[in-house]
Amino acid sequence: GDSVTQMEGPVTLSEEAFLTINCTYTATGYPSLFWYVQYPGEGLQLLLKATKADDKGSNKGFEATYRKETTSFHLEKGSVQVSDSAVYFCAPHSGNTPLVFGKGTRLSVIA
Amino acid sequence: DVKVTQSSRYLVKRTGEKVFLECVQDMDHENMFWYRQDPGLGLRLIYFSYDVKMKEKGDIPEGYSVSREKKERFSLILESASTNQTSMYLCASSLAGSQNYGYTFGSGTRLTVV
Repeated sequence: GDSVTQMEGPVTLSEEAFLTINCTYTATGYPSLFWYVQYPGEGLQLLLKATKADDKGSNKGFEATYRKETTSFHLEKGSVQVSDSAVYFCAPHSGNTPLVFGKGTRLSVIA
Repeated sequence: DVKVTQSSRYLVKRTGEKVFLECVQDMDHENMFWYRQDPGLGLRLIYFSYDVKMKEKGDIPEGYSVSREKKERFSLILESASTNQTSMYLCASSLAGSQNYGYTFGSGTRLTVV
């Protein structure tokens, strides 16, 4: 089945700092790749996705590129804000099996 | 706006009680899922369903059961609640053959068993 390794948190950054959260995956098929975000007290929301190699997903200033050769899908943002404080989950998805999530990376952005 | 609605945000139950967690989606999605979320463990799949009256065990089904009598509703049942079932429970839904579309999640139910 699919599996994912996500960098451990927590990550603490100052406002306007550059963010990278690493994610690598293994998959039996050709997965789609997702990043979800969970704000305090809420469920998960889809942040961005990429469905084939070299695709770049983007949303709210976040980006991630599907790197098939390195089986990676690292999340980046050029300038984080306090409102980006949340937990971020990487998830590969192959075929008709349920999504498998990483353990999540907690990001805290301080003003 | 499409929605997955979980009936309770916070729930406190006593050990040994039978607990029902309800989840309803209004997107006509075929697939529905129950996860639990615990610090340091991430999200773990309890049960899922790809059709009405169909259910499949996930990674941690022990102590739980589910019911899917209607397409839009997927209920998680704790037959006899125990303190180790204190957790955040998240329901999600998706389209059939949904590898490219992702899941829609509810807001979660934080269950405390005392």
